[in-house]
Amino acid sequence: SAVISQKPSRDICQRGTSLTIQCQVDSQVTMMFWYRQQPGQSLTLIATANQGSEATYESGFVIDKFPISRPNLTFSTLTVSNMSPEDSSIYLCSVVGQGGGYTFGSGTRLTVV
Amino acid sequence: GQQVMQIPQYQHVQEGEDFTTYCNSSTTLSNIQWYKQRPGGHPVFLIQLVKSGEVKKQKRLTFQFGEAKKNSSLHITATQTTDVGTYFCAGPGYSGAGSYQLTFGKGTKLSVIP
Repeated sequence: SAVISQKPSRDICQRGTSLTIQCQVDSQVTMMFWYRQQPGQSLTLIATANQGSEATYESGFVIDKFPISRPNLTFSTLTVSNMSPEDSSIYLCSVVGQGGGYTFGSGTRLTVV
Repeated sequence: GQQVMQIPQYQHVQEGEDFTTYCNSSTTLSNIQWYKQRPGGHPVFLIQLVKSGEVKKQKRLTFQFGEAKKNSSLHITATQTTDVGTYFCAGPGYSGAGSYQLTFGKGTKLSVIP
């Protein structure tokens, strides 16, 4: 199955700043998914990123706050903009692997102070 | 939208005891998936069930998919400390934005007392 390299693994950021998270996949994939996992909670889909088109955002998430780039079939970035403490979460990228199961990146643990 | 409910939220067991987590969907699922997330880690895919009434085993783990394809369970026999983590079920569907997505249950956090 696909291997995803996600970075940074963690960061502590000042409120009002932005952080860009990168995911590199070792194979070409059509869709990449970005999830947020708040402390002790389940996974919530932020958006689906397809190469060559704008990302599709889920309810409660907007492009101005979470801009996504998908320049090719192996790479995507998620930016968390104008951060506040409420944005402190784990952010995960994922792709569909062989057999239909999702493969996740190792996650970015973001703390906003 | 689709909802996937999972119980219990927490389970503390003595090492060697059995453990079961249950998952229920508000809609019929084409398949159901199970993931394990170790403390500080990311979700790792365990298995996918597709057929009505399907039962699959992975060593001490037994996964079942209900006849109506709306519920599922994960049973661990004789838990070990390596089983510690949060177990999530997830069902596929389409989000309000029209995207294909997996909807995850809230997870069951398993603690094993040595």
